[in-house]
Amino acid sequence: SYVLTQPPSVSVAPGQTARITCGGDNIGSKSVHWYQQKPGQAPLLVIHYDTDRPSGIPERFSASNSGNTATLTISRVEAGDEADYYCQVWDSSSYQWVFGGGTKLPVL
Amino acid sequence: EVQLLESGGGLVQPGGSLKLSCAASGFTFSSYAMHWVRQAPGKGLEWVSGITGTTGDTYYADSVKGRFTISRDNSKNTLFLQMKSLRGEDTALYYCAKGDYGKDFDYWGQGILVTVSS
Repeated sequence: SYVLTQPPSVSVAPGQTARITCGGDNIGSKSVHWYQQKPGQAPLLVIHYDTDRPSGIPERFSASNSGNTATLTISRVEAGDEADYYCQVWDSSSYQWVFGGGTKLPVL
Repeated sequence: EVQLLESGGGLVQPGGSLKLSCAASGFTFSSYAMHWVRQAPGKGLEWVSGITGTTGDTYYADSVKGRFTISRDNSKNTLFLQMKSLRGEDTALYYCAKGDYGKDFDYWGQGILVTVSS
């Protein structure tokens, strides 16, 4: 089955830029989606179709996808961005939906 | 406004059964795939099962195949998950999620807790 690999944690100071990676075999050929989950809350879709922001998501959230790595970038990080972030793809070979293990983003 | 409201969770003994429901509103339910995603305590997200909108084709994670059954009633805008032969590792918060055309999940419920323990 398809595996997505994320770093367990990425630290960032307020105002700086956070980059969260998601690794997978030829992930650039798949459509990657990103979710933000704050403590005690349901996940929230922040990026879909590799780079697109759903309505209401700040422009500070952007993403890219190429080769074996997809990256979520959060610019001018705020305290409110502190959350767990998950990448997700659909594996057409197994017809299963796959999540990465998640990355915790503490804002120091 | 899209709303997804899960119900039916609770405490069940190992080997037991439980049926979850998800009442949907705010969109044309029959036009979209629907999914169940779970999260064990302190762990990450795990996709459990999905069902297409009109044809009702079903898909399952290997971890639940043969034990869980997903279904839907488009006349009542409701999604179901019948869980049998439950194990301790099925203990989790179960989310109902609306599928989007890009195979992502654009709306989520607040989740319902299932605890499998003797």
